[in-house]
Amino acid sequence: SQQGEEDPQALSIQEGENATMNCSYKTSINNLQWYRQNSGRGLVHLILIRSNEREKHSGRLRVTLDTSKKSSSLLITASRAADTASYFCATDAADSWGKFQFGAGTQVVVTP
Amino acid sequence: AAGVIQSPRHLIKEKRETATLKCYPIPRHDTVYWYQQGPGQDPQFLISFYEKMQSDKGSIPDRFSAQQFSDYHSELNMSSLELGDSALYFCASSPGQFGYEQYFGPGTRLTVT
Repeated sequence: SQQGEEDPQALSIQEGENATMNCSYKTSINNLQWYRQNSGRGLVHLILIRSNEREKHSGRLRVTLDTSKKSSSLLITASRAADTASYFCATDAADSWGKFQFGAGTQVVVTP
Repeated sequence: AAGVIQSPRHLIKEKRETATLKCYPIPRHDTVYWYQQGPGQDPQFLISFYEKMQSDKGSIPDRFSAQQFSDYHSELNMSSLELGDSALYFCASSPGQFGYEQYFGPGTRLTVT
């Protein structure tokens, strides 16, 4: 079964707006990673956040992690049409280092 | 920067045939992971290797086997192919076993007819 579940399943916004998506997971984790995938293409690594971290930034991306709620959020600021993609979170459970399980993903469409 | 290389990028096989997928990790990465992504699905972990030894196993069918070689490249061997094996197969690598980012290759699209 999926370790992570993402919300919303789909998100449609206009260029310049912010996009926020959430990921919830079931068991204690070591790390959580966010990936981007364009249709039928490879997974692009965005950010890794460790279980003892609460927030990380990378360019226009901001990731938060709340281990008490077993959830993470990915915020894309000032979105661009090129941000159109599916976004996945992946977690490795505390007893399964490196064995990342993916959520179902959030499909983001950014219109010009 | 060097990325994970996978070959072939596309593969078409018939039912009951055998397929071999290859993965060349980023230089100095000693850990390799294999994932399967069916149409419209999220990637599913299959198997991983660290320093040429199997480190973890996921939902990998018994018809599949994999290994990591002395140069750290890995091969996924799939026998008695079934229609349901049609998927994108991703390889990822990381510079260590625990707590490192996994960088994915472009994937091999396997179509079983």
